[in-house]
Amino acid sequence: DVKVTQSSRYLVKRTGEKVFLECVQDMDHENMFWYRQDPGLGLRLIYFSYDVKMKEKGDIPEGYSVSREKKERFSLILESASTNQTSMYLCVVVNSYEQYFGPGTRLTVT
Amino acid sequence: AQSVTQLGSHVSVSEGALVLLRCNYSSSVPPYLFWYVQYPNQGLQLLLKYTTGATLVKGINGFEAEFKKSETSFHLTKPSAHMSDAAEYFCAVSDPSGGSNYKLTFGKGTLLTVNP
Repeated sequence: DVKVTQSSRYLVKRTGEKVFLECVQDMDHENMFWYRQDPGLGLRLIYFSYDVKMKEKGDIPEGYSVSREKKERFSLILESASTNQTSMYLCVVVNSYEQYFGPGTRLTVT
Repeated sequence: AQSVTQLGSHVSVSEGALVLLRCNYSSSVPPYLFWYVQYPNQGLQLLLKYTTGATLVKGINGFEAEFKKSETSFHLTKPSAHMSDAAEYFCAVSDPSGGSNYKLTFGKGTLLTVNP
């Protein structure tokens, strides 16, 4: 089974801080996605990547950037955290119709 | 562009009653379809999926869903609700052609309450 790990389960940051969320997979899959999950809004796609150094914007990229320097690692960056970025962040690795979810990072921005 | 609509953000049923959670999608190509369940303070768990073949798909915990192309629907059902089914359910669609690299588009979720 593919294992997807995220760097933190819980994170508390202050407004204006730069925040890094990391996702690492232990298989050789190309497609990696970052979603945020909010009550009543479901999961919304922030960014995704289909290869090293390749990235594409999802539905809500504003305020975020990403980095994929190695195939197994996909980082989500909040350049200047704001309170409206308080959310659960999920990394998903996809191989055709198989999806593998990370455990999630619950980020609170105060 | 794909989209998913889940009718009813909150569904309440009695224990033993039929569970019906509705999902409609839009997609420019025949999609892959998924239902996920999320129990309180837990991650998403795959209930069932449709890729190709038989349109009636059986999943875990007694759930099933039927892909109806003409109605662009993928409704989730369970004949008899159990208290342990109380959770949030998400419908999702992806493009099997690899367009947007299998991006998953989720519905907003339906919270299922089961009353004793």
